[in-house]
Amino acid sequence: DAGITQSPRHKVTETGTPVTLRCHQTENHRYMYWYRQDPGHGLRLIHYSYGVKDTDKGEVSDGYSVSRSKTEDFLLTLESATSSQTSVYFCATESRDKAKNQPQHFGDGTRLSIL
Amino acid sequence: DQQVKQNSPSLSVQEGRISILNCDYTNSMFDYFLWYKKYPAEGPTFLISISSIKDKNEDGRFTVFLNKSAKHLSLHIVPSQPGDSAVYFCAASFQGGSEKLVFGKGMKLTVNP
Repeated sequence: DAGITQSPRHKVTETGTPVTLRCHQTENHRYMYWYRQDPGHGLRLIHYSYGVKDTDKGEVSDGYSVSRSKTEDFLLTLESATSSQTSVYFCATESRDKAKNQPQHFGDGTRLSIL
Repeated sequence: DQQVKQNSPSLSVQEGRISILNCDYTNSMFDYFLWYKKYPAEGPTFLISISSIKDKNEDGRFTVFLNKSAKHLSLHIVPSQPGDSAVYFCAASFQGGSEKLVFGKGMKLTVNP
């Protein structure tokens, strides 16, 4: 949907290691978002971007950083992974160029397990 | 503090009957509401939305109703089909700058043949 590719789709790593998740979009959407989904919590916003090099924090940003050097790529980094960051991570994009109230479109997620 | 609430974790209905999914919100600043459907191992898919200037929006089998005074919205699926079995998320945002979405916890709908 909306040409969003997340990589990797699955990853298992150890506590304390750095992890980078990638979101790539082909729709030239200005806005990009990272969410995590956990049982009993729905989707919670980690960080978002409103343009190249323009990012801001979301609801659960502690322990995460992001970068957006190109319109099509939005990277999420866990500098030192902890077991509490085991989750399913979703990237989303939104155009908002032609009109307000445009829906966000999601990638298929990355399942991250931190042992 | 949960701003968007889906109080029922699951719903089971028979094929052909109506499914009604409910959502309550607490922030009166919200002015745009969406429903997403999610299958296992896939990302959420946008289903239908409604602006706060309306009280109803219809798209095929799906209708969303908004009651601003009660801070309540509902999704009606008529007739329900087995392929509608999924987790449904209610989400809301407001035109306060970033328009970030706030999601409910989700509700699992099962449509039995």
